[in-house]
Amino acid sequence: NAGVMQNPRHLVRRRGQEARLRCSPMKGHSHVYWYRQLPEEGLKFMVYLQKENIIDESGMPKERFSAEFPKEGPSILRIQQVVRGDSAAYFCASSQVQGGYEQYFGPGTRLTVT
Amino acid sequence: GENVEQHPSTLSVQEGDSAVIKCTYSDSASNYFPWYKQELGKRPQLIIDIRSNVGEKKDQRIAVTLNKTAKHFSLHITETQPEDSAVYFCAASSSNTGKLIFGQGTTLQVKP
Repeated sequence: NAGVMQNPRHLVRRRGQEARLRCSPMKGHSHVYWYRQLPEEGLKFMVYLQKENIIDESGMPKERFSAEFPKEGPSILRIQQVVRGDSAAYFCASSQVQGGYEQYFGPGTRLTVT
Repeated sequence: GENVEQHPSTLSVQEGDSAVIKCTYSDSASNYFPWYKQELGKRPQLIIDIRSNVGEKKDQRIAVTLNKTAKHFSLHITETQPEDSAVYFCAASSSNTGKLIFGQGTTLQVKP
């Protein structure tokens, strides 16, 4: 029973490049959440998606960030024109149903912007 | 807006002692309160959770209490061991939104 999968585990990008982070939820889970953890800080909600729908993107920066969860394939968090301040660990979590239920986290993608 | 405050930010105890971490939340609609343990460089791991229709829940050395009136919930670890050393995060969520609002984290150090 595979858990939440994320890739790549580590990603290095130069300023101005694009970063694509992928997340495959646990089997049977259709709800995906993305969180960002800045160095030495806590976890901040970014976006909540179900298949083909963005449910809540209240935590997403207004520019350069986008997310999708297509009918087939993993959820993708895309960061365009990365800046040094984007360097962080990006975790996705999945759950079986919305709200009030367990969310299980993937291993994270550690993005470093040089 | 939604907010979760967590205290203390650091906690150092001797092996065998108890540790208590406290959180308060602001959103009255919150009805689910999980606790996560995160070791350095690893993913957050769910260790225990409680829902708003329950006041207390226990799992071996770990217990969580919830006071909905005061909007407080706490994590209690008894008989601490060095392997309990990690960062612990509380969180709150509501059925309406699904997203977890996390506290700032508590770094627990258990000295052998």
